[in-house]
Amino acid sequence: AQSVTQLDSHVSVSEGTPVLLRCNYSSSYSPSLFWYVQHPNKGLQLLLKYTSAATLVKGINGFEAEFKKSETSFHLTKPSAHMSDAAEYFCVVSTNFGNEKLTFGTGTRLTIIP
Amino acid sequence: EPEVTQTPSHQVTQMGQEVILRCVPISNHLYFYWYRQILGQKVEFLVSFYNNEISEKSEIFDDQFSVERPDGSNFTLKIRSTKLEDSAMYFCASSKGRMNTGELFFGEGSRLTVL
Repeated sequence: AQSVTQLDSHVSVSEGTPVLLRCNYSSSYSPSLFWYVQHPNKGLQLLLKYTSAATLVKGINGFEAEFKKSETSFHLTKPSAHMSDAAEYFCVVSTNFGNEKLTFGTGTRLTIIP
Repeated sequence: EPEVTQTPSHQVTQMGQEVILRCVPISNHLYFYWYRQILGQKVEFLVSFYNNEISEKSEIFDDQFSVERPDGSNFTLKIRSTKLEDSAMYFCASSKGRMNTGELFFGEGSRLTVL
């Protein structure tokens, strides 16, 4: 079984300040982990993915995430928030055994304060 | 940039009616998926499709649901007799390879409202 828990349903930060969106996972096998972003009225877009290579993963738009097995975490960070980062962010897990099923977290809505 | 397109963006239907949601995946992709998100709940996997057959489906994907790739470009989700609880946003996705090595590209979703 696999699951993800996004610890915050809503995060607000000021423009130019750091962003931290928290995610913990549970997986019976070695997981693949993803962050997807959904802007209003848009589809889900892949930000970054971890698939058992480097534990620090860099994605698009300056986002990065660190896989910490000991903490079962995959938190998403960005050093400096931009207004265009306002969106819904989903932490997603799957196994590395050809399982095509993605398991989504409940999402974190990121609001950027001007 | 190539993208997955879905139609309609919003459909309202009466309970018991049949609904077909359509998707045009990215042209060189081989794997196709449907996910759904009931309002306020998680995005849930419904079904994956490869080589003209279902490769995996969830417990949600019962006999009321079917998928088809009727031609070289479309990928459809049919709900035979809609129920109130089918109201959700339905996302189509496609990928070049197996999901755990590649990237899923999602469409913007089709919102289904069952009255």
